Amino acid sequence: NAGVTQTPKFRILKIGQSMTLQCTQDMNHNYMYWYRQDPGMGLKLIYYSVGAGITDKGEVPNGYNVSRSTTEDFPLRLELAAPSQTSVYFCASRGHLFNNEQFFGPGTRLTVL
Amino acid sequence: AQTVTQSQPEMSVQEAETVTLSCTYDTSESDYYLFWYKQPPSRQMILVIRQEAYKQQNATENRFSVNFQKAAKSFSLKISDSQLGDAAMYFCAYRGLATDKLIFGTGTRLQVFP
Repeated sequence: NAGVTQTPKFRILKIGQSMTLQCTQDMNHNYMYWYRQDPGMGLKLIYYSVGAGITDKGEVPNGYNVSRSTTEDFPLRLELAAPSQTSVYFCASRGHLFNNEQFFGPGTRLTVL
Repeated sequence: AQTVTQSQPEMSVQEAETVTLSCTYDTSESDYYLFWYKQPPSRQMILVIRQEAYKQQNATENRFSVNFQKAAKSFSLKISDSQLGDAAMYFCAYRGLATDKLIFGTGTRLQVFP
């Protein structure tokens, strides 16, 4: 199993550009999450999904959109990138039992200039 | 709302010694999980140890153990026989049964000196 994979690893965007961060898991997990980690801070939840077709907002959803058309994929869309979105983005997934741990991807470092 | 506080931005320890990282949290829930994650320079988030609030016994994973004080809402991590590979950022995190969201503290950077 590859676990949770994220692409790209690094990206630089100009203000106003858009992009999609990809996240895929091969563990057949229902639950998937997107976090952002600002410098010197912990992770904050952007969006999460409890299964295909179901998504919900987390703590910091403004400026982002998600979709969940399959169990495996949970892409995060940035529209009109702003410098405040410069961060490291982590995708995570977990199994259906509540005591299952979340498995994290390696992260995407995004810089908006 | 639940909050997690790590009051030690940085800690250091000599190799083979023991260090304790502090974490406090605030919640009105009675059932929840607490976690310690390690983030090395590679950025990968690695689960170190997990504690279920309903369990009175403190969790242990090899050299890592916790001191869970439910009444005091305290959840510290003890690393025994510290190794150079333990150097990393350590995050305390909370997840309540009523919600499915991990709430992280701001982290403690651990340095290990030979």
